[in-house]
Order: sequence, then structure tokens, then C-alpha cells
Amino acid sequence: QKEVEQNSGPLSVPEGAIASLNCTYSDRGSQSFFWYRQYSGKSPELIMFIYSNGDKEDGRFTAQLNKASQYVSLLIRDSQPSDSATYLCAVNSYSPSGGYQKVTFGTGTKLQVIP
Amino acid sequence: GAVVSQHPSWVICKSGTSVKIECRSLDFQATTMFWYRQFPKQSLMLMATSNEGSKATYEQGVEKDKFLINHASLTLSTLTVTSAHPEDSSFYICSARDMATGYSNQPQHFGDGTRLSIL
Repeated sequence: QKEVEQNSGPLSVPEGAIASLNCTYSDRGSQSFFWYRQYSGKSPELIMFIYSNGDKEDGRFTAQLNKASQYVSLLIRDSQPSDSATYLCAVNSYSPSGGYQKVTFGTGTKLQVIP
Repeated sequence: GAVVSQHPSWVICKSGTSVKIECRSLDFQATTMFWYRQFPKQSLMLMATSNEGSKATYEQGVEKDKFLINHASLTLSTLTVTSAHPEDSSFYICSARDMATGYSNQPQHFGDGTRLSIL
């Protein structure tokens, strides 16, 4: 089982619609969760992070976390063509063998917003 | 805030050359920096965790002697690809966390990446 799983997509939504991106993780001890956006040929940029169960909103973006279900999602309202990119879910967990915090990235979901 | 600068952005060189990539945190201190590699249409792969003043922690399968990491200060980490070959051609990305808060669960901030092409 992969540590962080995402549907690779592509997820296609029409302009103005809500895009829903999902991510599951295997480590129940994970404490922090991040969403990054990566345009083709570019490095990832942080969109949001969430630590507590529930919803966290920032502009058109809402992150949702359910630790009991080991599930984190990202909603993008009023999707724009400029939102077309690959969205990476990242989970921070503790590595007992290494004695350090380690961030594991999912493989990403490619989002296409159709004008 | 939380700007990470990576240099160079693009390198093309001959097989056998050693290439050094720099990663700097410009407006914060980073005791830990991370080095990733990404092949086309694939996910980020963590290569190593760079710790200021100590040896880097390499992920399984990453050759320590091939990818030399030095983290001499709280704002600079370097990755040297030694005797690079065409199979080392990839997109190398560094990231850093702002440790000012003392919490190690802060998000990572990425540099712009270095596209390495070995002929």
C-alpha cells in the first residue's frame, strides 16, 4: 500500500465549477497535511496546509481533513483555466527509524479546467 | 516570506562532468533542507534530507557517493552530482522548512528547480 494515494486523473471540470481533489494516507500518526500545485516544468508551490479535523478555507480553496478516515481533500471553487495543473498531496509523519519528520508526497492529480 | 532560491535553473554538460546545485533560504533559517528528483510525468522522489552541520540522510537506493550533499550553514545546502551520466538527467528540486517556530510540521517551500541535461 502506498503511503499517500491520489487518483492520477486527469480530472476535467468546466470553468466555474467546483473541482474536488482527494487524497488518502496510511500513517495514522500523521499530523500535518499539505496541498501543492505544480505546473508543467515548474516546481511545486504551496497552496494550503491543514492540521486539524474539519475544513480550512482560503479564498477559492478549501482543505478538508478527516483523520479517522485518513482522508484529506482540496476543493477549488469557481475553477479557472489557470488552475489547470497537477495537485500534490503531502503528508508529514514521524520516521521512528530515522528519528525525524518526513514528508511523503502523493503522485499527484492532474486537473484540467475546460473554458 | 519563505523564499527558496535555487541555482542554476538549467545545466547542460558533457558526460563525466560534476555539477553543483545550490539551494538557499533567503528570508528564513532552515536547519533542514530536502533534495528531490523528478523525471518527466512522474512524482517527486525524495533523494535525501540535508541537515545543517551534519551528514545528510539518504533515501534507500540513492548513492551517497554519487550525490554529495553539503549543508554548511542555516541558509545554504548544495547538491553535487559527481561524474554525471545521461541517466542522471532530471529535474532536481530543493525545499526547506522555516524552523523559527520550532515546529517541524511546517510546510516545505520549494526552489524553482534545476533542469539537468547530460549529453
